[in-house]
Amino acid sequence: DGGITQSPKYLFRKEGQNVTLSCEQNLNHDAMYWYRQDPGQGLRLIYYSQIVNDFQKGDIAEGYSVSREKKESFPLTVTSAQKNPTAFYLCASSHRQGLSSPLHFGNGTRLTVT
Amino acid sequence: AQSVTQLDSQVPVFEEAPVELRCNYSSSVSVYLFWYVQYPNQGLQLLLKYLSGSTLVKGINGFEAEFNKSQTSFHLRKPSVHISDTAEYFCAVSPSGQGAQKLVFGQGTRLTINP
Repeated sequence: DGGITQSPKYLFRKEGQNVTLSCEQNLNHDAMYWYRQDPGQGLRLIYYSQIVNDFQKGDIAEGYSVSREKKESFPLTVTSAQKNPTAFYLCASSHRQGLSSPLHFGNGTRLTVT
Repeated sequence: AQSVTQLDSQVPVFEEAPVELRCNYSSSVSVYLFWYVQYPNQGLQLLLKYLSGSTLVKGINGFEAEFNKSQTSFHLRKPSVHISDTAEYFCAVSPSGQGAQKLVFGQGTRLTINP
């Protein structure tokens, strides 16, 4: 079955450490996205990539970094510069044509930083 | 820029009762509208979308929504809910023809179904 795999499901880190969240898709989608979800705030876009080796900042990119070396993979690094990293992180993908094709989401990674 | 307001953060209903989840948006240009559902500890799934054409949109799991341009609303309805509909529901809007990077999500409405 095609889909998006995020790993791990739960992640715990000490403050000051960088951490990388994995996102892999086998849907052959061109575009991939990272969202952050906090209670009562909906989803906010961190970074997105519409093609391999290219990515753009979203609304809340500070303290995060990404790479897109392969079409299937879009890892997110939460750096020690992110002031409030504890959150639920969702990866998504879509065809590049836009919103006539929907976003497909992974099941998320819950990051807790203490 | 677009914005979305989901008017209720929580909606409790009894099983087999009808439900309406309210969504209002703000935009100076034409829009696409979406409803997504999120079950506990999972990602979001598309319930339905309005791109153009008929203002009454039918989605999965018996849900439907009506686009009302004059009231800038896109309320989600189901005539009879089941326990399995317990989830969080998100309304989202983007400018017509734009990619998903322009998608703006509402704050979510938690639907709780009581037996």
